[in-house]
Amino acid sequence: NAGVTQTPKFQVLKTGQSMTLQCAQDMNHEYMSWYRQDPGMGLRLIHYSVGAGITDQGEVPNGYNVSRSTTEDFPLRLLSAAPSQTSVYFCASSYNEYSYEQYFGPGTRLTVT
Amino acid sequence: AQTVTQSQPEMSVQEAETVTLSCTYDTSESDYYLFWYKQPPSRQMILVIRQEAYKQQNATENRFSVNFQKAAKSFSLKISDSQLGDAAMYFCAYTNFGNEKLTFGTGTRLTIIP
Repeated sequence: NAGVTQTPKFQVLKTGQSMTLQCAQDMNHEYMSWYRQDPGMGLRLIHYSVGAGITDQGEVPNGYNVSRSTTEDFPLRLLSAAPSQTSVYFCASSYNEYSYEQYFGPGTRLTVT
Repeated sequence: AQTVTQSQPEMSVQEAETVTLSCTYDTSESDYYLFWYKQPPSRQMILVIRQEAYKQQNATENRFSVNFQKAAKSFSLKISDSQLGDAAMYFCAYTNFGNEKLTFGTGTRLTIIP
């Protein structure tokens, strides 16, 4: 199993550009989520999904869209990038919402200039 | 809403010594999980240890153990026989049972002195 994979590893965007951060898992996990990590603030939940076709907002959802058309994939879309979205983004998955262990991807470092 | 507080931004310890990282949390729930995650320079988030709130026994994983004080809402991590590979950011995290949304503390950067 590859586990949780994220692409790209690094990305630089200009303000106003759009892009999609990809996340995939091959463990047949129902639950997937996106976090952002900023210096001095730990990780904060952006969006999450408890299964294909179901998504919900986390703590900091503004400026981000998600969809979950398959169990394996959970892309995060930035519609119009802003410098405040400069961060490291982590995707995570777990078997379901009752399992206690989440598996994290390697992260994507995004810089918006 | 739940909150997690790590009051030690940085800690250092001599190699082979023992160090304790502090974490407090606030919740009105009775059934929840607590975790310590390690983030080395590679950026990968690695689960170190977890504690179920309903268990009175403190969790232990090799050189890592926790001191879980439910009434005080305290969850500290003890690392024994510290090794150079333990150098990393350590995050304390909380989740309600049946709700996978993790709430993280701000982290403690641990330095191991050879």
